[in-house]
Amino acid sequence: AAGVIQSPRHLIKEKRETATLKCYPIPRHDTVYWYQQGPGQDPQFLISFYEKMQSDKGSIPDRFSAQQFSDYHSELNMSSLELGDSALYFCASSFRDYLTDTQYFGPGTRLTVL
Amino acid sequence: DAKTTQPNSMESNEEEPVHLPCNHSTISGTDYIHWYRQLPSQGPEYVIHGLTSNVNNRMASLAIAEDRKSSTLILHRATLRDAAVYYCILRDRPFGNEKLTFGTGTRLTIIP
Repeated sequence: AAGVIQSPRHLIKEKRETATLKCYPIPRHDTVYWYQQGPGQDPQFLISFYEKMQSDKGSIPDRFSAQQFSDYHSELNMSSLELGDSALYFCASSFRDYLTDTQYFGPGTRLTVL
Repeated sequence: DAKTTQPNSMESNEEEPVHLPCNHSTISGTDYIHWYRQLPSQGPEYVIHGLTSNVNNRMASLAIAEDRKSSTLILHRATLRDAAVYYCILRDRPFGNEKLTFGTGTRLTIIP
């Protein structure tokens, strides 16, 4: 079965640079979520999109922005990178269903800021 | 959001049942109880969810207390592949609260 695809899997950037993370949801899923997991921490919700509209927002820095495109893939744009942005970034997708709304996670993008 | 409390870590022998507890004393009537797990170096993975009745699927069983203030995830026969961090998460109805709020889950170690 198709899974959530994230690219790149690994990314190394310098401080103050920008980074773009991409997420391709499972086909026919209409909702995409982004989570950040710092070293030794639990995943923290950043932002979500339903049918290409932002639907919820968590503790996402103003330096970060995201969008969902017409083909439902999503991109997380991160500018003015800081050392503290080094983390695993997970994308998840779901089909909004009254009974389940299960989220399926991708393998993550490991961002290292030097 | 209602909070959940789980033990930081648990150990179990391989091929034995594992009972992972979760307390959620402030749960509301519309909160679903979800369990996700995160295997090493992987994204979180859905395990099971329920509202009031006990639930079974191919991965696990979920036993929910009658007053819904606690629940237990049951792995019937643990394998080494079940070593992971297990998260108990409350969600206010499938549509009502989209995000998953991960607390400090239980790190399960399986002893061969």
